[in-house]
Parts: sequence; C-alpha cells; structure tokens
Amino acid sequence: RKEVEQDPGPFNVPEGATVAFNCTYSNSASQSFFWYRQDCRKEPKLLMSVYSSGNEDGRFTAQLNRASQYISLLIRDSKLSDSATYLCVVKPTNAGKSTFGDGTTLTVKP
Amino acid sequence: EAQVTQNPRYLITVTGKKLTVTCSQNMNHEYMSWYRQDPGLGLRQIYYSMNVEVTDKGDVPEGYKVSRKEKRNFPLILESPSPNQTSLYFCASSLGQGKQYFGPGTRLTVT
Repeated sequence: RKEVEQDPGPFNVPEGATVAFNCTYSNSASQSFFWYRQDCRKEPKLLMSVYSSGNEDGRFTAQLNRASQYISLLIRDSKLSDSATYLCVVKPTNAGKSTFGDGTTLTVKP
Repeated sequence: EAQVTQNPRYLITVTGKKLTVTCSQNMNHEYMSWYRQDPGLGLRQIYYSMNVEVTDKGDVPEGYKVSRKEKRNFPLILESPSPNQTSLYFCASSLGQGKQYFGPGTRLTVT
C-alpha cells in the first residue's frame, strides 16, 4: 500500500461545479499536510496548507481528518483555470521527508 | 525575485557519462530536496538536506549523489547514468517544514 493515495481521476466537471478530492495517508505520525497544484509538467506550486481545524482560501477549502487519516480539498464554483493536477503532500514532524500523492487530474469544461 | 533555479533545463546524454544538475536558491532556505517525476509514479523524493553538510536519503536514492557545501546550492550528481534515470527532475527549497518552492524542472533523457 502506498504511503499517500489519491484518486487519479480524471475528474471532468462543468464550470461552476463543486468538486472534492480526497487523499489518504498511512503514517499516523504525519504532522504537516499540503495541497499543491501542478500544471502540465510544470513545477508544483503550493495551493494551501491543511490545518487541523480546516481552512478556507476563497473558493478552496481544505480539511484534515486525523482519525480516518485523510485530507480533502473542496473547490467551489470551478473555473476553467482550475484545470490542473492536484497533489497532496504529507510530512512527518521534524523530518525532511515529503511524500507526494500521485495527483488527481481535474478538467473544468465550459 | 525569490526563486529556485535549475540547470540545465533539458539534457540528453548517454549511459555511463557522469552528469551534474545544479540547483540554487536565493531565499536563504535551510531545507532543500530533489525529486523525480515519472508517469504513473508521481513525485518521488531522491535526497534531501536539512542544512549545510546535512543530507539524507529519500525514497529513491539509488544511482544518485548530492552535496550541500553551501546553503544556496544543492547539486544532484549522476555518476553513471542509466536509461531508467530518464525522468523529469525537480529541486525544491523551504524554510523549515513549510511551503516548498520548486525549480522549473530538468528533463533528462539517458540513451
């Protein structure tokens, strides 16, 4: 079993739709969680960190469920520009290791 | 401008010919890391460095070496490249355990 697992998709949604991605992790000692966005083999860029209490940034909401060991990303009112691959990242405390999920591909269509 | 730079961006080489991919950051970050990205396998960590002269293996270190003699530079060395090291390579840096800033990537082909 992979340390971090994501549904690869692809998710094809119309503009304006709400879409949610989940990411499960196996190491219960994991402490830091992030969502990154990657466009067509370009470098990944941080979308948002994920905090225990959940956090929101505009149309994006991230949640952490430690009991079930998953994080989620909710995108509301999808835009064409949201089309990308979304990567979840899990890090143990005070360690340099980062484990990336394989990514979930989202395509938003007019 | 805060950035991570990698060179070269594209490289085609032959099996066994030693090569170095450079990585440099201008943000005074302690933490730097190298990843490779392959279709269907996602981003996998090769090596990371928590600070100068401190390096550690990631998930796929075989066939690679790194060094961290200065804070800003973290070169990736392939002593004897093989075709299975054909990949897209990313360098990243961060301040502590937070947001990682990625370089633009190096597309390496080993024939």
